[in-house]
Amino acid sequence: DSGVTQTPKHLITATGQRVTLRCSPRSGDLSVYWYQQSLDQGLQFLIQYYNGEERAKGNILERFSAQQFPDLHSELNLSSLELGDSALYFCASNPGGAGIYNEQFFGPGTRLTVL
Amino acid sequence: TQLLEQSPQFLSIQEGENLTVYCNSSSVFSSLQWYRQEPGEGPVLLVTVVTGGEVKKLKRLTFQFGDARKDSSLHITAAQPGDTGLYLCAGPPDGNQFYFGTGTSLTVIP
Repeated sequence: DSGVTQTPKHLITATGQRVTLRCSPRSGDLSVYWYQQSLDQGLQFLIQYYNGEERAKGNILERFSAQQFPDLHSELNLSSLELGDSALYFCASNPGGAGIYNEQFFGPGTRLTVL
Repeated sequence: TQLLEQSPQFLSIQEGENLTVYCNSSSVFSSLQWYRQEPGEGPVLLVTVVTGGEVKKLKRLTFQFGDARKDSSLHITAAQPGDTGLYLCAGPPDGNQFYFGTGTSLTVIP
């Protein structure tokens, strides 16, 4: 158990819909990362937040957005869903700050299926 | 084109055999990490290599960072079924984004 929690574990929805994935980082971690893992694209970095502020942005679509709240939990919002958005979505956390690329602790993931 | 290319993509070996997984890039990385991911779970960090030419050993696993910091390898000695999983290299080439490699799926047959 990494200490990172993600909800829900599974999500099935239809094209065009909007969903919200939730992540609670390890206690004390200020940095949260979101990743998308699909069979054809591998593990792709989406976005990173540090203490409520966006720190780095990866291959995140404009239909996707994220935020980190004052209690440090984070949400990833996916809208106008397409079939190709079906994937595993992982959240990871670490203390952040200096040496920001230290070990990342991954949650169990949310499996999104778009029908 | 992926920034970090791993080879082989799939590997199936018998218990007790040795194997090497490669991670290559045309970019220089300040550090590289190796993770192992088991089905249904998130990746778990195995090691971080920072210095060009660095070699780190973790029991039967040996990790090497290339002198030019563009490549890395993972060597497993006497593989065991518990080594089965997806091995991923990862790193930040420019400090702004974290990239994961294409992955090597290892199956060790008892």
